[in-house]
Amino acid sequence: GAVVSQHPSWVICKSGTSVKIECRSLDFQATTMFWYRQFPKQSLMLMATSNEGSKATYEQGVEKDKFLINHASLTLSTLTVTSAHPEDSSFYICSASLVNSNQPQHFGDGTRLSIL
Amino acid sequence: EDKVVQSPLSLVVHEGDTVTLNCSYEVTNFRSLLWYKQEKKAPTFLFMLTSSGIEKKSGRLSSILDKKELFSILNITATQTGDSAIYLCAPLINAGGTSYGKLTFGQGTILTVHP
Repeated sequence: GAVVSQHPSWVICKSGTSVKIECRSLDFQATTMFWYRQFPKQSLMLMATSNEGSKATYEQGVEKDKFLINHASLTLSTLTVTSAHPEDSSFYICSASLVNSNQPQHFGDGTRLSIL
Repeated sequence: EDKVVQSPLSLVVHEGDTVTLNCSYEVTNFRSLLWYKQEKKAPTFLFMLTSSGIEKKSGRLSSILDKKELFSILNITATQTGDSAIYLCAPLINAGGTSYGKLTFGQGTILTVHP
C-alpha cells in the first residue's frame, strides 16, 4: 500500500520548453504533497508544499512563476517547469503524506529532467 | 536557519565491516528524525525516531536518537555490497501550512561496500 507514482521518469527537451511532471497517489488520498529537487551529488531540497484545493507554499528562493504547482484532486499534483533552461536540469521527486502511516511521506520514483 | 550535518560525507569499506553514520541537527519545531537509503531513484524509508535512547532495529541496520545532544546514528553491521548507497537523515519539523510536517535533508553519506 501507499504507492506514489511519478510520470514521466525521464524527459529530455529543448531550452524554452515547458515540462509537466505528474505525481499520483495510487491507493490513498493525499491532501498534502511535496516537491523536491536534487542536483547531482547533492541532497534533496524541498521546493514547495502542495495542498489540495489551495495554493502551494513555496520555499524561500523558489520562483512560483517558474515552477507552477497544481493540486486539483486528492490523488494528483502536477509540477510544471515553465520555459525550462539547462540550469533547471535536475532530479525532481514528489512525495505524498498519509495519515496513520509508519512514515510521514511516501516518495515517487523521481523524474530526471534534462534541458538541452 | 535549520541545519543538518551528516558525517562522514563518504565511506569506503569491505564486505563484513561495520559502519556508523552520524547525523547532527539544529532545527526549530522538531518532531522526529528519519533515515533514508537512496540508490538510483527516490529515497527508501529506513527508520523514524521520535524518542531518545530507544534503539530501532531492522535486520543488520539499527539507529538511535539523542534529543538532548541533537544527534542520531545509523549502524550497519556485516555490510554487503547491496548496502552501497547514499544514506540520508532528515529531521521532520512542524511547519505552517501542513499538519504532516516538513523534512529537511542532510547532505548524505555515500557508502561504498567492496566485495
